[in-house]
Amino acid sequence: NAGVTQTPKFRVLKTGQSMTLLCAQDMNHEYMYWYRQDPGMGLRLIHYSVGEGTTAKGEVPDGYNVSRLKKQNFLLGLESAAPSQTSVYFCASSYNPGPQNEQFFGPGTRLTVL
Amino acid sequence: GENVEQHPSTLSVQEGDSAVIKCTYSDSASNYFPWYKQELGKRPQLIIDIRSNVGEKKDQRIAVTLNKTAKHFSLHITETQPEDSAVYFCAASIVGNTGKLIFGQGTTLQVKP
Repeated sequence: NAGVTQTPKFRVLKTGQSMTLLCAQDMNHEYMYWYRQDPGMGLRLIHYSVGEGTTAKGEVPDGYNVSRLKKQNFLLGLESAAPSQTSVYFCASSYNPGPQNEQFFGPGTRLTVL
Repeated sequence: GENVEQHPSTLSVQEGDSAVIKCTYSDSASNYFPWYKQELGKRPQLIIDIRSNVGEKKDQRIAVTLNKTAKHFSLHITETQPEDSAVYFCAASIVGNTGKLIFGQGTTLQVKP
């Protein structure tokens, strides 16, 4: 099993460009999450999904959109990239938020917006 | 909403010494507290977690303690080794809810050989 994978690993954008980050998991997990990681600020939740076809806002949703058309995939979109969105983006998934809450993380996507 | 504060931001210890990282949380409804370790350039990985129905949990050289009254929990690493050098994150969540984790700011632990 590949676990949680992310595409691409690195990307450089110019201000105003758009892009989509893909997260895929092969563990049949219901719950998926997108975080951004910035120095000194830990991991902050952008959006999350509790099942196919559902999405919800996290702590820092502005400037991002998401879609969960298939259970195994969770897409994060930037419609008009800004330098403030330069960050490392991590996707995570979990089976359910019951007794075992462990979230499994992808390898991350390093995004630079010029 | 939930807020998690983590201290210290950096910690340097000699190999063999103990390291302690502390976190406080604001939402008294939180009942699940995991700790993640992130090595340089790698993804975060769960190393230990604790639920609100216990006060302490150990796994070999690492342990976590929880004080629900004071709303704080701590990670203890004994007999530190150079491979313990990493960034450690605490988090808080509510079991059975959406599974959202609210993370602390992270602690960079350096273990000097």
